[in-house]
Amino acid sequence: DTEVTQTPKHLVMGMTNKKSLKCEQHMGHRAMYWYKQKAKKPPELMFVYSYEKLSINESVPSRFSPECPNSSLLNLHLHALQPEDSALYLCASSQENRGISYNEQFFGPGTRLTVL
Amino acid sequence: GIQVEQSPPDLILQEGANSTLRCNFSDSVNNLQWFHQNPWGQLINLFYIPSGTKQNGRLSATTVATERYSLLYISSSQTTDSGVYFCAVGPVDSSYKLIFGSGTRLLVRP
Repeated sequence: DTEVTQTPKHLVMGMTNKKSLKCEQHMGHRAMYWYKQKAKKPPELMFVYSYEKLSINESVPSRFSPECPNSSLLNLHLHALQPEDSALYLCASSQENRGISYNEQFFGPGTRLTVL
Repeated sequence: GIQVEQSPPDLILQEGANSTLRCNFSDSVNNLQWFHQNPWGQLINLFYIPSGTKQNGRLSATTVATERYSLLYISSSQTTDSGVYFCAVGPVDSSYKLIFGSGTRLLVRP
């Protein structure tokens, strides 16, 4: 199974709402990623988890809160977002053995988020 | 940081034509991937190719790491090849980061 799944596919939320994006992979990968992609731009890295620990935070505002409950799941909790946060949010995973990252990343289909 | 440039930025082809997409990068890398982003936003892995040549059906790719470029060849293009092609590289000082180029937007007309 070489698939990364994401739910929901689409999400519309108000600036006062709290919502969560979910990502799941069953490839045995130990590194998981959140990316943000604005229209007509390339994806930009937000967070990296390695062995369920936050490894990289690319100076993302605190209204985005990641969580990795186990090696297969990755969540992104959203609170008090702004309209400019509207984007495609992509999850990815890659294989890793301690000390060596293979870094070939596999992406999910994304969640298209609209903030009103 | 490392810079990734893709060319051309836009490309229009007639169905059946061949094309070459280029990716230049400014520093040594330990990873290079080519992706196709379809109109629904899905990023599809085409090649993991930090060096050498690979082929998969009508697609092939070559990376010359010493000269810091990679090429993606599409032969006998089909309308389903339309979308955006991204090159992404992994810097040698990071096990996790992928730096994306700006992409080549391809439209294949029937």
